[in-house]
Amino acid sequence: GENVEQHPSTLSVQEGDSAVIKCTYSDSASNYFPWYKQELGKGPQLIIDIRSNVGEKKDQRIAVTLNKTAKHFSLHITETQPEDSAVYFCATQSNDYKLSFGAGTTVTVRA
Amino acid sequence: NAGVTQTPKFRVLKTGQSMTLLCAQDMNHEYMYWYRQDPGMGLRLIHYSVGEGTTAKGEVPDGYNVSRLKKQNFLLGLESAAPSQTSVYFCASRPGTAMNTEAFFGQGTRLTVV
Repeated sequence: GENVEQHPSTLSVQEGDSAVIKCTYSDSASNYFPWYKQELGKGPQLIIDIRSNVGEKKDQRIAVTLNKTAKHFSLHITETQPEDSAVYFCATQSNDYKLSFGAGTTVTVRA
Repeated sequence: NAGVTQTPKFRVLKTGQSMTLLCAQDMNHEYMYWYRQDPGMGLRLIHYSVGEGTTAKGEVPDGYNVSRLKKQNFLLGLESAAPSQTSVYFCASRPGTAMNTEAFFGQGTRLTVV
């Protein structure tokens, strides 16, 4: 099965600074790369996704980059705010119905 | 909009007891999934279903069974609970029109097996 590695496991940033989370994957057939945010006591929620025919996608303060050759993709959060504090998961999907998740990154934004 | 609803939200079981977790979605989604979330291990797929009447094993299926008798419901059963099954369980659903689509998650069920 797919192996998704996510780093770092914890990340503490000053409010206003940027946060970057990186994921690598093993299955070259992976073609869909979503990022989920999980707030305390809630289920994960999609914040951005990218497909294999796109190298970068941006949505306000959030951006995702994909390098299919190197099999890695990253989440970038700019101008971090306290409400960005949460656990973030990357995921991949290849030509099946299953999403494989990374182990998660706990992001803390310090005021 | 209810979305994906999990029942119950919390449960404590004794070793060897059985229980069923219910997942209900009102979005007419074809695909449904059960994941477990453990510290440092992310979300691991237990079982999934690609349509009413179908089920398939995921990454960690041992000790669990599932059924999808109705399109809107996906049940996860533990026949004889073990302490290793202490976890937070999440159900998710996705449309069947395309594979690269958003998964919608429930709020989770926190299960403790003592």
